[in-house]
Amino acid sequence: QVQLVQSGDEVKKPGASVMVSCKASGYTFSSYGISWVRQAPGHGLEWMGWINTDTGNTNYAQKFQGRVTMTKDTSTSTAYMELRSLTSDDTAVYYCARKDCRGDCFLYHFWGQGTLVTVSA
Amino acid sequence: EIVLTQSPGTLSLSPGEKAILSCRASQSVSASYLAWFQHKPGQAPRLLISGAFTRATGIPDRFSGSGSGTDFTLTISRLEPEDFAVYFCHQYGGSQTFGQGTKVEIK
Repeated sequence: QVQLVQSGDEVKKPGASVMVSCKASGYTFSSYGISWVRQAPGHGLEWMGWINTDTGNTNYAQKFQGRVTMTKDTSTSTAYMELRSLTSDDTAVYYCARKDCRGDCFLYHFWGQGTLVTVSA
Repeated sequence: EIVLTQSPGTLSLSPGEKAILSCRASQSVSASYLAWFQHKPGQAPRLLISGAFTRATGIPDRFSGSGSGTDFTLTISRLEPEDFAVYFCHQYGGSQTFGQGTKVEIK
């Protein structure tokens, strides 16, 4: 069965970076893109960007451009999201999700379990 | 950016009752690329409906979606105890956005 398993919760200081991983199983990794979505406390979900797991091409939401990098390791079927220059506003649960349609279509049937990133001095 | 506004913010109902949740878009959602998710604390979101009205695999038929253009509705015909959760809508076209969610709580 399809599974996306994310790395564990993180606590970071302001100005630091965090990397969250998302290990896929149960399907051909390079056949489906991976998006990253976050939810800050008391807020709705926010799309951060996605990576084409076949080509490695990325598309980031404007808000995160210059501060986020999404990568993949096909040999381990794992996608990564690194966010730099963290502030308290980045405290959120971060999710990876599988992009289940082609082109300009971002339907997600499968999600990771979420990774809580807490930014605190 | 298409803004999705969900109402009400909280719905207080009893098991067995009907729930009607609204999602209104600031502009027309192309190709009815509108999905509904159920989200419980500490869990991954669960896809219920895509294409405005198509139930995902394994979703009970008490969940139904309707609407087009800018107005969409999720209906839960008879609430089961496991249905009390947060529900959010998602327009999944190129510039995707999410609604802020409706909490369905036990009255």
